[in-house]
Amino acid sequence: DADVTQTPRNRITKTGKRIMLECSQTKGHDRMYWYRQDPGLGLRLIYYSFDVKDINKGEISDGYSVSRQAQAKFSLSLESAIPNQTALYFCATSDPLLSNTQYFGPGTRLTVL
Amino acid sequence: SQKIEQNSEALNIQEGKTATLTCNYTNYSPAYLQWYRQDPGRGPVFLLLIRENEKEKRKERLKVTFDTTLKQSLFHITASQPADSATYLCALEPGGYNKLIFGAGTRLAVHP
Repeated sequence: DADVTQTPRNRITKTGKRIMLECSQTKGHDRMYWYRQDPGLGLRLIYYSFDVKDINKGEISDGYSVSRQAQAKFSLSLESAIPNQTALYFCATSDPLLSNTQYFGPGTRLTVL
Repeated sequence: SQKIEQNSEALNIQEGKTATLTCNYTNYSPAYLQWYRQDPGRGPVFLLLIRENEKEKRKERLKVTFDTTLKQSLFHITASQPADSATYLCALEPGGYNKLIFGAGTRLAVHP
């Protein structure tokens, strides 16, 4: 079984809708991250969490919110989706004892019409 | 401004040759640098990490160098195979922030 899973894998939605992307991990890591990837721009950090009570904004947090429900679960929400949030979204975990090497999920392809 | 640069143009090479990818950075002093492989539609997968006090790191056909004076890392794949075709990302951690900054990646295509 995959160590980091994401649901849904693909989602098409309309402008203004609320969307939640979910991430679960079985690696036992405290640290979790949400990234978006756009062609030519690479991975950009949206939010990150170093434990259940710790939530931090990343480089591009505007328009997004997150919830860390448990050590194993980290959800990303788009409160009111807009077309420029169309992207590939990745969840990742890391172990600080391994120099923050990131373990990524398979990604969610989100299209906002 | 702080940034990481990887060659945005795809690198096309013949099978069996050595592929060399470049990662340059400015205004950082990272303690280490990481390389990841990403296949289309999939999440990146960690390959290698090299620390600032290591000049070279090897893993099977992969070799990474790290020159903190030039602010550059080179990633080599020797005896390349079509299965090595993917996008390769470099990443570093700005000191003290406990999170990684990624380059945009370089796409490698190995032709039979």
